[in-house]
Amino acid sequence: EAGVAQSPRYKIIEKRQSVAFWCNPISGHATLYWYQQILGQGPKLLIQFQNNGVVDDSQLPKDRFSAERLKGVDSTLKIQPAKLEDSAVYLCASTTPQDASAFFGQGTRLTVV
Amino acid sequence: DAKTTQPTSMDCAEGRAANLPCNHSTISGNEYVYWYRQIHSQGPQYIIHGLKNNETNEMASLIITEDRKSSTLILPHATLRDTAVYYCIVRAAGGGNKLTFGTGTQLKVEL
Repeated sequence: EAGVAQSPRYKIIEKRQSVAFWCNPISGHATLYWYQQILGQGPKLLIQFQNNGVVDDSQLPKDRFSAERLKGVDSTLKIQPAKLEDSAVYLCASTTPQDASAFFGQGTRLTVV
Repeated sequence: DAKTTQPTSMDCAEGRAANLPCNHSTISGNEYVYWYRQIHSQGPQYIIHGLKNNETNEMASLIITEDRKSSTLILPHATLRDTAVYYCIVRAAGGGNKLTFGTGTQLKVEL
């Protein structure tokens, strides 16, 4: 079974630039999460999708972050414009309502300079 | 979701059992205890979960106290590849519920 795929693996941008991350969840997984993990901290949930609908985006900084999951499969997370404090690893995870566990991708490491 | 408290770091000799404690004194009756680990530069990986009975799988054992206010993850024969950050999470049942991570325990397995 293929895992959660994320790209790019690494990204370096200057502050005020825009960036987008892509996630392809495990086939058939209706629930998709985006997490932000700052160095030395545990992952923090940014947004949760159920199919193509948003379940929880309470911790998403909506003035600069946006996410979509068109057709309920792939998802993209965008930051516009980026700030220095956005430097982090962005993790995507997926699961089904019946699964006990969530499956994570390897993440995208973003560095804002 | 209930909060959890874990030691910041622990060391373990290779081949010995690693016992990682977690306190979750405010856990609700419908909340499970989950354990994940994160090896350097990888995403978190599910290990095991339980409600009130002790659980065992090919990776680890989970011991939950009778009052459910604390638990221990046991890696019976730790190897160098078990060096990782281990997260204890309490979460309501159902795959659609979110996982709220704390800062976890950095386990270092040494020769």
